[in-house]
Amino acid sequence: EVQLVESGGGLVQPGGSLRLSCAASGFTFSSYAMNWVRQAPGKGLEWVSVISGNARAIYYADSVRGRFTISRDDSKSTLYLQMNSLRAEDTAVYYCARATRGGSGDTDSWGQGTLVTVSS
Amino acid sequence: EIVLTQSPGTLSLSPGERATLSCGASQSVTTSLAWYQQKPGQAPRLLIYDASDRATGIPDRFSGSGSGTDFTLTISRLEPEDFAVYYCQQYGSPPRTFGQGTKVEIK
Repeated sequence: EVQLVESGGGLVQPGGSLRLSCAASGFTFSSYAMNWVRQAPGKGLEWVSVISGNARAIYYADSVRGRFTISRDDSKSTLYLQMNSLRAEDTAVYYCARATRGGSGDTDSWGQGTLVTVSS
Repeated sequence: EIVLTQSPGTLSLSPGERATLSCGASQSVTTSLAWYQQKPGQAPRLLIYDASDRATGIPDRFSGSGSGTDFTLTISRLEPEDFAVYYCQQYGSPPRTFGQGTKVEIK
């Protein structure tokens, strides 16, 4: 069974940093592209970033480019999101999501999410 | 960035009725489009990928169609568990983007 478990969320001041983790199990992690998607309270879904299975292809949403960094450690089956220069508008539940088929753009497995709150 | 516009914002229907949800893209995404369902307090669930392929375990009352810039998700007969918010997402061109969502509510 595919499992994705996010951690690392919490309360941080504007301008601060946070690193999210997503521990994966139940599949060959290195073979799949992985995504971060966020959802602000009461709002819709916003795609944040994707990293390919070999980490050679990385893309970001315009809203986070230059501030967030996605990475992966295939030896630990773990996905990361380093978030710097955090703003109030980054407050959201952050989900990690696995590509359905290797490098596909759709995502069929999602974690339960971790809440990031940016506030003074 | 490709903008996805979903309509209507809210759809009020009764169980057993047919639901038709639309998603328009600001430029062609060919068939690189997915539909997700989200219920309160839950992560999204993949329904349709590549515009018209049903994901594993999705009932056949859900169907997707379209290509280029115009897409449709159809629920042939609404079941009580289908009342939720639905999102389209394009992955034809980075950055990937979601539509703003359509809420299907009980009339």
